Amino acid sequence: GAGVSQSPSNKVTEKGKDVELRCDPISGHTALYWYRQSLGQGLEFLIYFQGNSAPDKSGLPSDRFSAERTGGSVSTLTIQRTQQEDSAVYLCASSSLMTRETQYFGPGTRLLVL
Amino acid sequence: AQSVAQPEDQVNVAEGNPLTVKCTYSVSGNPYLFWYVQYPNRGLQFLLKYITGDNLVKGSYGFEAEFNKSQTSFHLKKPSALVSDSALYFCAVKSSNTGKLIFGQGTTLQVKP
Repeated sequence: GAGVSQSPSNKVTEKGKDVELRCDPISGHTALYWYRQSLGQGLEFLIYFQGNSAPDKSGLPSDRFSAERTGGSVSTLTIQRTQQEDSAVYLCASSSLMTRETQYFGPGTRLLVL
Repeated sequence: AQSVAQPEDQVNVAEGNPLTVKCTYSVSGNPYLFWYVQYPNRGLQFLLKYITGDNLVKGSYGFEAEFNKSQTSFHLKKPSALVSDSALYFCAVKSSNTGKLIFGQGTTLQVKP
């Protein structure tokens, strides 16, 4: 079946611009996670959704970062006024009770802020 | 606080030899442990997990991992390495609160012909 999909696969933007990253989880998966992978920081958790609510936003690095999930499916991660240190690969993962704790990851969005 | 350590940045093995990628963890309560693999310019691919039960867990592509509670380790192993196993490997522990994964820094596995 279809896996987690993310778009765009690559995004180049200028410092100060806003960007939106999209995640389509596996159908029926109720939990959705955003992570960030960068050379200096490794893999970091950003935010977790259960359904449409976000019980854990503790990993969002600043108030420039926000995310939403609608209809218990698609999620959008928005970065406002991008900075060069936001350059990273943004990974989305989803899971459900049926996967017994296993999170399945999408291919990621590679963001480069010039 | 929960944490994961992968003490080796890189592991080099010859094709056909056994391989081990090390992982130790620190967690309160029962650990949920995972191994993921990442090929260049790709997302993370699930290999195997330990939730409960047998300490030796078998996963995809011939990989296995042994959960050792006394040593708080979860080393990844394979009896005979392939060149195609060359990739970046991540160990992770699941947070007991929200389910987020806490990752180690990753270990690059290089298998040479």
